[in-house]
Amino acid sequence: GAVVSQHPSRVICKSGTSVKIECRSLDFQATTMFWYRQFPKQSLMLMATSNEGSKATYEQGVEKDKFLINHASLTLSTLTVTSAHPEDSSFYICSARGGGGARYFGPGTRLTVL
Amino acid sequence: DAKTTQPTSMDCAEGRAANLPCNHSTISGNEYVYWYRQIHSQGPQYIIHGLKNNETNEMASLIITEDRKSSTLILPHATLRDTAVYYCIVRVALGSSNTGKLIFGQGTTLQVKP
Repeated sequence: GAVVSQHPSRVICKSGTSVKIECRSLDFQATTMFWYRQFPKQSLMLMATSNEGSKATYEQGVEKDKFLINHASLTLSTLTVTSAHPEDSSFYICSARGGGGARYFGPGTRLTVL
Repeated sequence: DAKTTQPTSMDCAEGRAANLPCNHSTISGNEYVYWYRQIHSQGPQYIIHGLKNNETNEMASLIITEDRKSSTLILPHATLRDTAVYYCIVRVALGSSNTGKLIFGQGTTLQVKP
């Protein structure tokens, strides 16, 4: 089946630094990818929709200048958390749209900001 | 997308069938019922989807009532590895021309016990 990878799987950083998370579709091309955030004991919250070659579409309440999304190729989307703070600590999950519109999810990235 | 209602949590004995209900009384004629699950600290995994007929695959069965206002996901022989949060999502088809979002509710936490 289609595989989506994320890198890194977990990252710890200091407050004020920026962190980049990569999402790759390994065996298919994805013109559209989605980024979610999940806090402990909560459901996934959609942050933004990323389209290859164009600007991402952000959900209401998500700061586009803080969460920079780049979808430069059909197999890679990146999420950069700029000037991270402890409240940005969360589980970040990407999803890629595959053939027939199916959604494939990555394994997630655990971000801890100290 | 139609709203769904699921019980917060359920228990099931290992080896027995797990029946997870979902209410979607406002479902529209062109909306499908999708089920995903999320094992702890992993990305969501697609299980099954259907429009109005019952569906079965290697993972589960989906039973949709005739009026389509509710459905039940059945895991025929639950194992400990089926312990997860199960999400019922109602939306128009995730077709190849549809770049629409997949919005997650709170889901049902299924605990399979030995």
